[in-house]
Amino acid sequence: EAQVTQNPRYLITVTGKKLTVTCSQNMNHEYMSWYRQDPGLGLRQIYYSMNVEVTDKGDVPEGYKVSRKEKRNFPLILESPSPNQTSLYFCASSALKGVYGYTFGSGTRLTVV
Amino acid sequence: EDQVTQSPEALRLQEGESSSLNCSYTVSGLRGLFWYRQDPGKGPEFLFTLYSAGEEKEKERLKATLTKKESFLHITAPKPEDSATYLCAVQASGTYKYIFGTGTRLKVLA
Repeated sequence: EAQVTQNPRYLITVTGKKLTVTCSQNMNHEYMSWYRQDPGLGLRQIYYSMNVEVTDKGDVPEGYKVSRKEKRNFPLILESPSPNQTSLYFCASSALKGVYGYTFGSGTRLTVV
Repeated sequence: EDQVTQSPEALRLQEGESSSLNCSYTVSGLRGLFWYRQDPGKGPEFLFTLYSAGEEKEKERLKATLTKKESFLHITAPKPEDSATYLCAVQASGTYKYIFGTGTRLKVLA
């Protein structure tokens, strides 16, 4: 089954404790992206990647890091999480630089206390 | 500044009562406009991509249309299972960033 898999689904952590949210897709898509979704603000793009070793900032990259060492994986790293990063996070992938629609993961609900 | 605005914010319909959702956009050049459906607690599900003014796409009770400044998602004879949040997004020419609107929450009553 074609899918984007995110882990974990739920995470509660403390301020300053580094964490990684994993994302993997099995569709051989070149384009992958991370979003956060907050009430009233909608989906905001954090980072995106057009292929292996090619990443670029979205609209809200501060406090986040990404890497794309393999085509299928695109982890999101929070090196020193803060409470304002409490949010619902989605990973998504698409063929052809995102010109086709995304396939989204199921989401990761992160709470930073 | 590139921007996407969706209206209304929320919409309640009776089963069978057709209506339209609006997505207006401001971008320097449009690479594509996308519609998604999102159920509570789930990731958005892709519905349509529209590339140029005048284009239309249909899927079951949904029909998406595009002009140079806005897109409409027409819902014909909706059913309760069409209840969801509908999201619009654009990708501007010269960039591979996406910009999403904040969505329209649709509730269809039986």
